[in-house]
Amino acid sequence: GNSVTQMEGPVTLSEEAFLTINCTYTATGYPSLFWYVQYPGEGLQLLLKATKADDKGSNKGFEATYRKETTSFHLEKGSVQVSDSAVYFCALSLITGTASKLTFGTGTRLQVTL
Amino acid sequence: DAGVIQSPRHEVTEMGQEVTLRCKPISGHDYLFWYRQTMMQGLELLVYFNNKAVMDDSGMPKDRFSAKMPNASFSTLKIQPSEPRDSAVYFCASSSRGRGGSYNEQFFGPGTRLTVL
Repeated sequence: GNSVTQMEGPVTLSEEAFLTINCTYTATGYPSLFWYVQYPGEGLQLLLKATKADDKGSNKGFEATYRKETTSFHLEKGSVQVSDSAVYFCALSLITGTASKLTFGTGTRLQVTL
Repeated sequence: DAGVIQSPRHEVTEMGQEVTLRCKPISGHDYLFWYRQTMMQGLELLVYFNNKAVMDDSGMPKDRFSAKMPNASFSTLKIQPSEPRDSAVYFCASSSRGRGGSYNEQFFGPGTRLTVL
């Protein structure tokens, strides 16, 4: 079946540190890949996406590159801020007919301190 | 746009009681999803609709859960009878159908935090 594996959290960083959150996937076919972010008390928001191999998604200083050879989609940011503290979810979607179901990883909590 | 609207935001009930969660998707969206989020299981898809029809409810415990979408702008998730293990945050999300069957972003509501005592 399809699955997403994320690194365990929490990840605790000082402001302006470099961030990497690892994500690998297993899928039959050619999935689209996503990072969602959940701020405290809120629903999930799409952060970035990539729909084919070697695509790079980017938004708000975050980046992730779709690596088919390593089945990975690691999230990176060069300099984190306290406001980036949230839970980050990696997800994949496979289109079958008109279906577009998301399969989520377990989420990685990021805490950024001053 | 108001985004996906869910009500109530918080619900506390006693075991055995009926609970109804409500969702209003973004206008024009064809797909509606119900998710459950717990610490132990993470985010699980319970059921989703396409044009008001159930497409997949394999993640939903059918002995006590039921989901309906009577019209394009309203959906309910009902639990009867509720149990303490149903305590979780329930999210509703909606999306539109992409051209050529491609993926379109799912927009999530703020969630309903359910506590069953």
